[in-house]
Amino acid sequence: NAGVTQTPKFQVLKTGQSMTLQCAQDMNHEYMSWYRQDPGMGLRLIHYSVGAGITDQGEVPNGYNVSRSTTEDFPLRLLSAAPSQTSVYFCASSYSPGTSLSTDTQYFGPGTRLTVL
Amino acid sequence: TQLLEQSPQFLSIQEGENLTVYCNSSSVFSSLQWYRQEPGEGPVLLVTVVTGGEVKKLKRLTFQFGDARKDSSLHITAAQPGDTGLYLCAAMEYGNKLVFGAGTILRVKS
Repeated sequence: NAGVTQTPKFQVLKTGQSMTLQCAQDMNHEYMSWYRQDPGMGLRLIHYSVGAGITDQGEVPNGYNVSRSTTEDFPLRLLSAAPSQTSVYFCASSYSPGTSLSTDTQYFGPGTRLTVL
Repeated sequence: TQLLEQSPQFLSIQEGENLTVYCNSSSVFSSLQWYRQEPGEGPVLLVTVVTGGEVKKLKRLTFQFGDARKDSSLHITAAQPGDTGLYLCAAMEYGNKLVFGAGTILRVKS
């Protein structure tokens, strides 16, 4: 199993450009999520999905779009990049949606380091 | 204001010392998790605590969940340079949202 994979590992964008961060998992997990990590802020939830076709907003969803057409993939789209979106982005997945998620193990990808100029 | 407050934000100690980091909230949680993150990598789950007053041990790491399930602590005995990293606590907010504290950066010097 590859676990959770993210591409690209590094990306530099200019303000106003759009791009998609890819995330895939091969563990047949229902729950997937995107976080951004900034110094002193920990991990902040952007969007999450409890299964194919179902997505919802987290703490900081503005400027980001997601879709979940398959169980395996959960891409994150930046519609018009801004310098405030400079961050490290992590994708995570876990087996159980619903109330059991509180005791479930989240598996994180290696992250994408994004710089917006 | 973050749901989970972690302290201290940064800790630099010598090898062999003991330390405790804290995760506090005004909310009650059904469970709480601790993760460790090394530079350039994603967080890795260390433990989940689910019962008020619960104590779990992982080698030299001891995790405790407060009786009221609002707080937790992580104690490391005889810290080693390999313990260096970012320690994060996390808990489930309403609506299937897993939220994290800001983390404690631990540096253990040899």
